[in-house]
Parts: sequence; C-alpha cells; structure tokens
Amino acid sequence: GDSVTQMEGPVTLSEEAFLTINCTYTATGYPSLFWYVQYPGEGLQLLLKATKADDKGSNKGFEATYRKETTSFHLEKGSVQVSDSAVYFCALRVGNSGNTPLVFGKGTRLSVIA
Amino acid sequence: EADIYQTPRYLVIGTGKKITLECSQTMGHDKMYWYQQDPGMELHLIHYSYGVNSTEKGDLSSESTVSRIRTEHFPLTLESARPSHTSQYLCASGGQGSSGYTFGSGTRLTVV
Repeated sequence: GDSVTQMEGPVTLSEEAFLTINCTYTATGYPSLFWYVQYPGEGLQLLLKATKADDKGSNKGFEATYRKETTSFHLEKGSVQVSDSAVYFCALRVGNSGNTPLVFGKGTRLSVIA
Repeated sequence: EADIYQTPRYLVIGTGKKITLECSQTMGHDKMYWYQQDPGMELHLIHYSYGVNSTEKGDLSSESTVSRIRTEHFPLTLESARPSHTSQYLCASGGQGSSGYTFGSGTRLTVV
C-alpha cells in the first residue's frame, strides 16, 4: 500500500541553522505530496504542497521539491527560527478525485534553540 | 471566513460516560475525517465520510461512531468512555485530491 517514511526526531537546531527533514514515499499511483506543520496545542496546518514531478512547493521560507526518481519530498529551510519549533508531517494522496484519504508519515519534532 | 471548528478544546470526563465531540466546517467540503493522535504524535485515521449519509471506518479500530446528516457537521461519539480513549482527536475536511486537508484545532480528551 501507499506509505510515507520520514526521518525520526527529535531534531534540535540552533537559530539560523539549515534544516532538512527527509521524506520518502511509496505509492501505487502518481501522488500529490504535502508537508503539514503542527504547533504546540494546535491542529495541523498545510505548509506546502507539490502535485507533479519537479514541482517545488514553498512557503514561509520552507521548500520541498517533488523528486519522482528518488521518490522523495525533503523539507528544507535555510535559516530556522525559534518560532519554527513544531512537529512536521509529510503526507501523500493518490488520485485527483479526493476519494482516498491522505497518508501521513509519523511526524518529526523540531526544536530550535536561541 | 471559511474554517473548521472543533468543540470542546479540552474535556475531562469519568469512565463510562457518553460523549460527543463536535466538528463543523463552513467550506462546503464533502469529505471529512477524524484522526486520533497518540502522545508520540502519530496520526491514526479512525473515521471518514465522503458526503451526507456516508461513513467509513479508518485504519485504526475504534470504539467510537460517527454520523453525517449534514454536509457541514461530522460529530464523533463515544458511548462509554474508558481511560484508553485518552488522546487528542483531530477533525479535518478536504476537497479534491491535490488540495489537501484543513484541520480543526483538536479536542484533547482525558478519561479518568
């Protein structure tokens, strides 16, 4: 079945450090790919997405590129801030009808220290 | 403003009580979902619906039930709460395949 594997946390970085959170996927079809962020005490928020190979999603300084050849969608940010401390989820969805639920990774907790 | 709302945000109840967690969305989405989030953060799909009068069980076996009588409303009910039900419950709604979900803020349930 479809699945998402993301790097285990927690990840602890100093402010202004470079961030990479790895995400790879297995899908029976041609998926759309997503990154969600969950701040403490909140629900998940869509951070960025990409719907086809070589697409780059970006938002709030975060970027991820849909790599079909390596089945990956790694999240990157050049300079993290304390306010980026949160849990990050990679997810996929196969098909355009919306009749399949999103498949989530297990989440990666990021802590940024000043 | 289009949004999705969950009530209550926090709930502490005794074992054996019946409870209903509310979820409403104003975006006109047909598809709605309930996830249980364990302390280790992992999300488990417990119920979903593709429209009025449509409900399906998710990947994680759950003793809860859901109903979908109106498009905007997708409540989750526990007939007899137990300490093992202590968790965070997240509701979400979504449109077509590439649009992802919009999540509510969650209900943190504690059964004592």
